[in-house]
Amino acid sequence: AQTVTQSQPEMSVQEAETVTLSCTYDTSESNYYLFWYKQPPSRQMILVIRQEAYKQQNATENRFSVNFQKAAKSFSLKISDSQLGDTAMYFCAFKAFNEKLTFGTGTRLTIIP
Amino acid sequence: GAGVSQSPSNKVTEKGKDVELRCDPISGHTALYWYRQRLGQGLEFLIYFQGNSAPDKSGLPSDRFSAERTGESVSTLTIQRTQQEDSAVYLCASSPDTWNTEAFFGQGTRLTVV
Repeated sequence: AQTVTQSQPEMSVQEAETVTLSCTYDTSESNYYLFWYKQPPSRQMILVIRQEAYKQQNATENRFSVNFQKAAKSFSLKISDSQLGDTAMYFCAFKAFNEKLTFGTGTRLTIIP
Repeated sequence: GAGVSQSPSNKVTEKGKDVELRCDPISGHTALYWYRQRLGQGLEFLIYFQGNSAPDKSGLPSDRFSAERTGESVSTLTIQRTQQEDSAVYLCASSPDTWNTEAFFGQGTRLTVV
């Protein structure tokens, strides 16, 4: 079974600074997808970014980028120029073909004005 | 509708009663998930439906919990003889297929057992 670990329960950073959220996972699969989801206080889960395991290039979406280290089974999320609206719970997730989407325990991120 | 719809949005029930939670996925989505999220906690997997395949029920915490899905449409999560520890937000998500595509989440049903 796949497992996803987020070792930082809470983080805080000043507005406009850069913050990195960590995620590691364990799998015997060679091809899979990794995701970061955001859950603001409104409770609505939103996809932030996705990475395909067979692609070496790290995914980027505007201020959000990942550092995907397949051998180390690590998938961190970097948020640049952080904004107050980035305050939320962030969940790392893993999916292999025909299997369920597995989430980590989350990191609560607070952006300080 | 445009998104995943869950009803009711809030439910208060007495301990020992049965409850049914409903999820309407996005039309055409073959995959459907149920998760439980206790206050301030992460997402706990409950059950996964994928097309006509047998559902993955490995996350259901006890035989009081069951879920059904009619084809590729509505799903119902039933909790029998509710207990106070069942109090949580129940989230439903759907996805176009079983592979890499994004899972779209509903707003959840907040269940409170008193």
